[in-house]
Order: sequence, then structure tokens, then C-alpha cells
Amino acid sequence: EPEVTQTPSHQVTQMGQEVILRCVPISNHLYFYWYRQILGQKVEFLVSFYNNEISEKSEIFDDQFSVERPDGSNFTLKIRSTKLEDSAMYFCASSTGQGAHEQFFGPGTRLTVL
Amino acid sequence: SQQGEEDPQALSIQEGENATMNCSYKTSINNLQWYRQNSGRGLVHLILIRSNEREKHSGRLRVTLDTSKKSSSLLITASRAADTASYFCATDANTGNQFYFGTGTSLTVIP
Repeated sequence: EPEVTQTPSHQVTQMGQEVILRCVPISNHLYFYWYRQILGQKVEFLVSFYNNEISEKSEIFDDQFSVERPDGSNFTLKIRSTKLEDSAMYFCASSTGQGAHEQFFGPGTRLTVL
Repeated sequence: SQQGEEDPQALSIQEGENATMNCSYKTSINNLQWYRQNSGRGLVHLILIRSNEREKHSGRLRVTLDTSKKSSSLLITASRAADTASYFCATDANTGNQFYFGTGTSLTVIP
């Protein structure tokens, strides 16, 4: 069964460093998403991406964040200058359509900012 | 805020019993989805129910939706120890691009 994959599973970085979280969505999916979950808190929407551009983003997704689909398979989230409060699980998801379509989630990347 | 809120926050039952979790939300929706998350793991989609549907079944899962009360329930019948996980409802915004997750119900099924 096809699945969303994410690498790395755990990333440790120093405050102020740039990190890139990688995702490989399911191959025939057209919509891509990033969510984050701070430990013990809700899963929060960050951004959705379709047709090589951001279609929607939340207040959390400020100028330090960017997303890219550098090739036909990868979908990346870049955090330019990490802060302590960026420590969280970051989940990538993909779907065939928007709205009434299941979003398939990856296993997540645990980001720890020291 | 559109966020769903699950109730109860925690539920502990014996194996074989049924588990019922509820979700309430604040504004109109197009769809509501239920997800499961094992500790420290990713989210697994369980079921999607559209705003014009009242009930859906999938195996041991039964989901109801009452748009007049802005609430949904997830029933797991004949629970198993492997059902131990956190369960979240997620509601969509009007654009349908993002889902708002609740805080989840932590279910423990005791063997």
C-alpha cells in the first residue's frame, strides 16, 4: 500500500540553524501539506501546496518557513533560523484532491532545537 | 476558531467493551474526519463523513454526525488492546485545504 514517507525521523539542531525536513508524498497525489504537533498539544496546520504554489497557510507559517517541491517526488519544509519553540513533530500529508478527500499522513519528523 | 474538541479527554475501558468518543466544533463544515495516533507516531485516517451524511460505518467503527448540534461521535465496538491510542477529529475550513484538529481523546483498552 502506498504511503507518505518522511526523513529524517529525528533531527536535532542548534538554535539559529537552518533545517530542511523532507517528505515523499504518495505518487499520484496532487495536494501536499505540512502540519506540526508540539509535544502534548494539538496537531496544527502549517501550509498546503498545489500546482507548485502555496494554496493556503496558517499564521504559524511565517517568513522563516518555506516549502518547495524541488523535483517530481520530494516535498520539503525549510525553517530558516530555528527557534527553541520550533521543537515539535512535523507531519507531511498528501491527498488526491481537496475537501472531501482523505489526507494521508507520514510518520513525522521529530525536530529538537537546542 | 473552527477547532474540534473531543470529549472525554481520556477513556479507559476493558477489552470487549465499546468506546464512544465525541467531537464538537464551532462553525459549519464540509467534512469531518477521524484520525488515530499511536504514541509518538503519525496519524492514521479512520473515516471521513460529509456534512450531508449522518452515519458511516467501517468495520468496528461507527461515526455519526449531527450538523444541527455541530457534533460527531466515534464508536469503537468490541474494543481490543490494540485500539489503545489517541483519537482526533478534524474539521475542514471553507476552502477545504486545511483541517483543524482537536486535542484528542486518549483511549486505553485494558486486556
